[in-house]
Amino acid sequence: GAVVSQHPSRVICKSGTSVKIECRSLDFQATTMFWYRQFPKQSLMLMATSNEGSKATYEQGVEKDKFLINHASLTLSTLTVTSAHPEDSSFYICSARRFGRETPYEQYFGPGTRLTVT
Amino acid sequence: SQELEQSPQSLIVQEGKNLTINCTSSKTLYGLYWYKQKYGEGLIFLMMLQKGGEEKSHEKITAKLDEKKQQSSLHITASQPSHAGIYLCGADRTGTASKLTFGTGTRLQVTL
Repeated sequence: GAVVSQHPSRVICKSGTSVKIECRSLDFQATTMFWYRQFPKQSLMLMATSNEGSKATYEQGVEKDKFLINHASLTLSTLTVTSAHPEDSSFYICSARRFGRETPYEQYFGPGTRLTVT
Repeated sequence: SQELEQSPQSLIVQEGKNLTINCTSSKTLYGLYWYKQKYGEGLIFLMMLQKGGEEKSHEKITAKLDEKKQQSSLHITASQPSHAGIYLCGADRTGTASKLTFGTGTRLQVTL
């Protein structure tokens, strides 16, 4: 089956520093990857859509200068939280859509990254 | 207000009992997806429904989409501890299948 990995699974950083989270599709090519954010006991909120070789599309209310997304290859997208603050602490989940397939049926989710900013 | 509401928010059932989770949209959907999430983990795809009146089953889980494509139910028969987790419905509102809007989630506990 299709596997999506995220690294790191957990990260603790100090306020003001930047953190990079990687999302990789391990056995398929993903032209599109999605980044979600989930607060405790809440649902997933789409932050941005990442397309390989082009700029990410951010959802309303998401600061693109704070959450930098790079999708440099068909198997890797990165999310960098810049100048992190405690309110950025959250669970970040990525998903990857299989190349050539147009339905979310083929959207595979990573295991998530828990970010804690102290 | 939420565009996609799930009910109940949480549920505790005894092992062996049946249960139903509902997902209601304020707008007609192009597609409705059910996922399961263990706490602190990613989402596991369960089922996708696209046609009004459609019903799909996998093992002991059955999902239905109403004729108007605004409401879906997820039914678990003879629940087991392995069914415990958070169930999320996701809606395709654009018809392009490019992104999903998720419901509020239902937390299921199965007691012995």
